[in-house]
Amino acid sequence: DIQMTQSPSSLSASVGDRVTITCRASQGISNYLAWYQQKPGKVPKLLIYAASTLQSGVPSRFSGSESGTDFTLTISSLQPEDVATYYCQKYNSAPPWTFGQGTKVEIK
Amino acid sequence: EVQVLESGGGLVQPGGSLRLSCAASGFTFNIYGMSWVRQAPGKGLEWVSGISDSGASTYYADSVKGRFTISRDNSKNTLYLQMNSLRAEDTALYYCAKAGNAYYFDYWGQGTLVTVSS
Repeated sequence: DIQMTQSPSSLSASVGDRVTITCRASQGISNYLAWYQQKPGKVPKLLIYAASTLQSGVPSRFSGSESGTDFTLTISSLQPEDVATYYCQKYNSAPPWTFGQGTKVEIK
Repeated sequence: EVQVLESGGGLVQPGGSLRLSCAASGFTFNIYGMSWVRQAPGKGLEWVSGISDSGASTYYADSVKGRFTISRDNSKNTLYLQMNSLRAEDTALYYCAKAGNAYYFDYWGQGTLVTVSS
């Protein structure tokens, strides 16, 4: 099975900082990569799919990119409401459709 | 408005069975795949099982293969998860999730809690 390695596991940044979270696939998955945000006690929310397509209604400070088997979620200017755990998920044709381990983002 | 609403969770003894349901509304149910995703207390997300729009294809994580069965009734806009031979490690909040045009998940329910304990 393809493994998804997400890093870092947690980070602390100041309001207005640029934040980057990385997800690495153990094999090629084309652009079949999604990012989710889960705020404490809440349901996961889709942010990005197809590696870089922003889901409707998601603020433009969120963006995604890919380089081979490395995928990046970037928050261009961290806001207090962005405190959450972020997960990547691969969804290429072959299941399992694995999630990364999660990255907890906090405000410094 | 798209809604998915899970039910059927509860406390069950190890080795027992439980059937989860997910009632969907606000979208054309029979043209989208669906999945179950679980989250153990304080842990991350784990994809459990998926089913194609027609129900002809089903998929399972290795951790539940042979014990769980996913199904759907498109006439009732309802997704199911039959869980047998339950173990303590199956304790989790179980989410029903609607797939987008591939198996990423654009709508999630609030979840139903399954606790496996004696």
